[in-house]
Amino acid sequence: NAGVMQNPRHLVRRRGQEARLRCSPMKGHSHVYWYRQLPEEGLKFMVYLQKENIIDESGMPKERFSAEFPKEGPSILRIQQVVRGDSAAYFCASSLPGAKVLTFGAGSRLTVL
Amino acid sequence: TQLLEQSPQFLSIQEGENLTVYCNSSSVFSSLQWYRQEPGEGPVLLVTVVTGGEVKKLKRLTFQFGDARKDSSLHITAAQPGDTGLYLCAVSYPSNDYKLSFGAGTTVTVRA
Repeated sequence: NAGVMQNPRHLVRRRGQEARLRCSPMKGHSHVYWYRQLPEEGLKFMVYLQKENIIDESGMPKERFSAEFPKEGPSILRIQQVVRGDSAAYFCASSLPGAKVLTFGAGSRLTVL
Repeated sequence: TQLLEQSPQFLSIQEGENLTVYCNSSSVFSSLQWYRQEPGEGPVLLVTVVTGGEVKKLKRLTFQFGDARKDSSLHITAAQPGDTGLYLCAVSYPSNDYKLSFGAGTTVTVRA
């Protein structure tokens, strides 16, 4: 009875490399959200996806960031050419269709050297 | 721009004392949720409310929601060290009620 699974839990990248963060939603959940949390700040919405569809990506930076939620497999948040400012905790949450209750994963902590 | 503010930012109290944290929105919200987050973990939902004026209790935690649906408070009675954590409020607004907007949180430390 796994909850929302995120991996890796910790990721270290050098500037210019790529980071891929994965999220497997709770069983039966078809909606996935990605949030970013900087130290001593709240969570900032990034993107909302359903299977094979991006519903709202208004919180995603215009460049270098992309997200997908394929028909099979986990949701992926991809950050290309990482910079130090990308260092943060990235949280994935999932929900049932139409539900306002989100279940969060434990997060992936990205450190860019 | 919709603003969501939480106060205080930090709160440190002795075990057994009471505490209250606040969440204020610049706009009317559709629903409000309180979460608690522990270091290295994701937020865990405590309560959801959608009705103005509502009061909900969860053991020693009392959640109160303003009639105008723009503010909320969380009161903890006889705090214990296990209550230590970051308390986050999150709201959804009528314009796009699938999207949760989070406050910056209140870091609560309960000393034994």
